[in-house]
Amino acid sequence: GAVVSQHPSWVICKSGTSVKIECRSLDFQATTMFWYRQFPKQSLMLMATSNEGSKATYEQGVEKDKFLINHASLTLSTLTVTSAHPEDSSFYICSARHNSGNTIYFGEGSWLTVV
Amino acid sequence: GDSVTQMEGPVTLSEEAFLTINCTYTATGYPSLFWYVQYPGEGLQLLLKATKADDKGSNKGFEATYRKETTSFHLEKGSVQVSDSAVYFCALSGISGSARQLTFGSGTQLTVLP
Repeated sequence: GAVVSQHPSWVICKSGTSVKIECRSLDFQATTMFWYRQFPKQSLMLMATSNEGSKATYEQGVEKDKFLINHASLTLSTLTVTSAHPEDSSFYICSARHNSGNTIYFGEGSWLTVV
Repeated sequence: GDSVTQMEGPVTLSEEAFLTINCTYTATGYPSLFWYVQYPGEGLQLLLKATKADDKGSNKGFEATYRKETTSFHLEKGSVQVSDSAVYFCALSGISGSARQLTFGSGTQLTVLP
């Protein structure tokens, strides 16, 4: 079946550095991908909608200059957390909408810890 | 805006017990409703869905009925197994701008003991 691969699964970085998380649809094309973050015991919160070839649409309260999203191809979207701080530590998960049929598939998620 | 309220966990049951996880929603129009499951170390997987009022979604022994009058989509299973231990998310699919997006509940951790 359709698979969405997220990489890395977990990453530790120092405060002030940037970290990139990749989201790939392995066997289907996805014009639209979504990025979520989840704090412990809280709901998944949509951060932004990523559209291939155009600028991402960010949800209210999400800093677009801090969370850079690039969706350069129909199978890859990246989220870059710039100048990371400990409060950015969270679980980030992406999903991709299959261009044929509109089913949404989720990646495995990425744990980010900023020390 | 759209929102989903889900029963707080964690929930701990013995094997073969009956499971209910409550989910209610607020949305404009006629959203589709979903239950997702996240097993330890894995990504979210769609468990079942219902796209209109009175529809019943079912999969792997789990069921949920789309109740528009009570704006609910409670998840049930008659006899849980240890392998059902996971986090369960209720979600709705509404429309924001031109994109159909998912709104999630907070998730309910289920632990089934042998």
